[in-house]
Amino acid sequence: DQQVKQNSPSLSVQEGRISILNCDYTNSMFDYFLWYKKYPAEGPTFLISISSIKDKNEDGRFTVFLNKSAKHLSLHIVPSQPGDSAVYFCAARTMYNNNDMRFGAGTRLTVKP
Amino acid sequence: DVKVTQSSRYLVKRTGEKVFLECVQDMDHENMFWYRQDPGLGLRLIYFSYDVKMKEKGDIPEGYSVSREKKERFSLILESASTNQTSMYLCASEGFYEQYFGPGTRLTVT
Repeated sequence: DQQVKQNSPSLSVQEGRISILNCDYTNSMFDYFLWYKKYPAEGPTFLISISSIKDKNEDGRFTVFLNKSAKHLSLHIVPSQPGDSAVYFCAARTMYNNNDMRFGAGTRLTVKP
Repeated sequence: DVKVTQSSRYLVKRTGEKVFLECVQDMDHENMFWYRQDPGLGLRLIYFSYDVKMKEKGDIPEGYSVSREKKERFSLILESASTNQTSMYLCASEGFYEQYFGPGTRLTVT
């Protein structure tokens, strides 16, 4: 069962515009959410996270929004840059359990110059 | 910076061979993980270790075993490699709810 879903396998955006990557989850026990970025032939790198007590977290060009009632989160990248082209994984977990992090299938973002 | 290293970036093995994938982290983290990444499926947890000699099965442990004799080192073992184990294998170490990944090992079983 896929508890974390990224329904868009790919997204193409023009440089300078906003990129919005979406993620849905089904397990209401999840209380911590993360985004990872992965370049080809490299491991995923942590990008940004948010706990369930917040609805927004911002770090430079990256903002994550959490809508708990809809079980939905999104990652906004503004402005998008060609170097942002990568696969983005959404992940969710409970903070009290060590081994229940669940990942989405990933969204491949392409930022065109 | 957390550093997680994996013993090989690319590996080609024959069906039936025993395969060892090694992972080392330098942050004294207690929790370490092995995932495999396949297109359209994201990252799936194979095994997890929360201390030396302690391990738990993840979602897809069949055909795999693990070893953690030292805190910094977590090994994944394919007892008898099969073609359906061709995949990208990722090791991770965890600190403060966030996991830090190694560069991955692309394993091809022929």
